[in-house]
Amino acid sequence: SQKIEQNSEALNIQEGKTATLTCNYTNYSPAYLQWYRQDPGRGPVFLLLIRENEKEKRKERLKVTFDTTLKQSLFHITASQPADSATYLCALPGAGSYQLTFGKGTKLSVIP
Amino acid sequence: EAQVTQNPRYLITVTGKKLTVTCSQNMNHEYMSWYRQDPGLGLRQIYYSMNVEVTDKGDVPEGYKVSRKEKRNFPLILESPSPNQTSLYFCASSSSRDEKAFFGQGTRLTVV
Repeated sequence: SQKIEQNSEALNIQEGKTATLTCNYTNYSPAYLQWYRQDPGRGPVFLLLIRENEKEKRKERLKVTFDTTLKQSLFHITASQPADSATYLCALPGAGSYQLTFGKGTKLSVIP
Repeated sequence: EAQVTQNPRYLITVTGKKLTVTCSQNMNHEYMSWYRQDPGLGLRQIYYSMNVEVTDKGDVPEGYKVSRKEKRNFPLILESPSPNQTSLYFCASSSSRDEKAFFGQGTRLTVV
């Protein structure tokens, strides 16, 4: 089955800087990859989906890249704000099944 | 308002006492799934359903049952709960596995 690694459990950055989170996967290359935000005690909220034929996708201050050669997706938040503090999860579909598998997430803290 | 509704939000029960956590969505989604979230282990898929009467196991199905008799409902059944099923549970729905998922508010289950 697909193994997903998100670069670190926790990431602290200064307000106004760009946060970069990493999602690496092994085995097969998925047709797409999703990113979610999760606040403590709440359900994940969808942010972005990027497909294998898309190198980059943007939404306001968010940018996602997808490198199928490196088997990696990068998630960027520019001009970060304390309100961006949350856990960010990446998710990939299973191969030959209808599963959707999530990484363990990276907890981002934006320090004022 | 588009939403996924889980009930109950909190539940404390005793070992062996059968329980059902309900999940309902109002978006006419075909794909629904259940996840459990544990510290250090992230979100793990328990079961998923591609449509009415079509369900399949996720990564951690042992000790759980599901049914999909109607499109909008996808209950999670614990026939004989055990303490290792103490967890935070999320139901999710999407128009297909490959589209963004909407998550419920979560059910915090404690089995003593």
